[in-house]
Amino acid sequence: QKEVEQDPGPLSVPEGAIVSLNCTYSNSAFQYFMWYRQYSRKGPELLMYTYSSGNKEDGRFTAQVDKSSKYISLFIRDSQPSDSATYLCAMTRDSSASKIIFGSGTRLSIRP
Amino acid sequence: DTAVSQTPKYLVTQMGNDKSIKCEQNLGHDTMYWYKQDSKKFLKIMFSYNNKELIINETVPNRFSPKSPDKAHLNLHINSLELGDSAVYFCASSQPSGGSETQYFGPGTRLLVL
Repeated sequence: QKEVEQDPGPLSVPEGAIVSLNCTYSNSAFQYFMWYRQYSRKGPELLMYTYSSGNKEDGRFTAQVDKSSKYISLFIRDSQPSDSATYLCAMTRDSSASKIIFGSGTRLSIRP
Repeated sequence: DTAVSQTPKYLVTQMGNDKSIKCEQNLGHDTMYWYKQDSKKFLKIMFSYNNKELIINETVPNRFSPKSPDKAHLNLHINSLELGDSAVYFCASSQPSGGSETQYFGPGTRLLVL
């Protein structure tokens, strides 16, 4: 079993829809949780960073962490075609970036 | 003003050859990384260097040898290339801090071994 599981998609939704992306994990020692966005033929870029359980909101994006269920989510409101990308969840045990474990990514397509 | 740059962007080569990929960051970060992303988009860390010293080596074959001439550069040399080495290789950098530590990724080097 992989440490981090993520549905690869692809996920296709119409513009303006609410998108929900999810990851599950098996290691209860993970404390720091991240979402990266990767456009085609580009490197990943950090989108959201959360510590422990709870919610964090940044504009149209909301990250949720439920440590009791070992489940994290990223919600995108009012989705735009420019949100079309692969979204990778990632997590680590401490604040150091040295041992980040990535999910395999979910490919998201927003239809105009 | 590219923060993390890699060369070359594309690399097509024959099995058995030796090749190098270069990475440079102008962010003043102390830590640099090499990742491999396979065809299924699975991103896995290979090496991590902090101030030119190797701190992570994740069960990577000996054919892969990183070299850090200074803390702004981390190059990756691959000997005797195999078909399975075909992937996208990403360099990244970060700066240790008391709170969250963000990694900044380069644009990737697409390696195809024929």
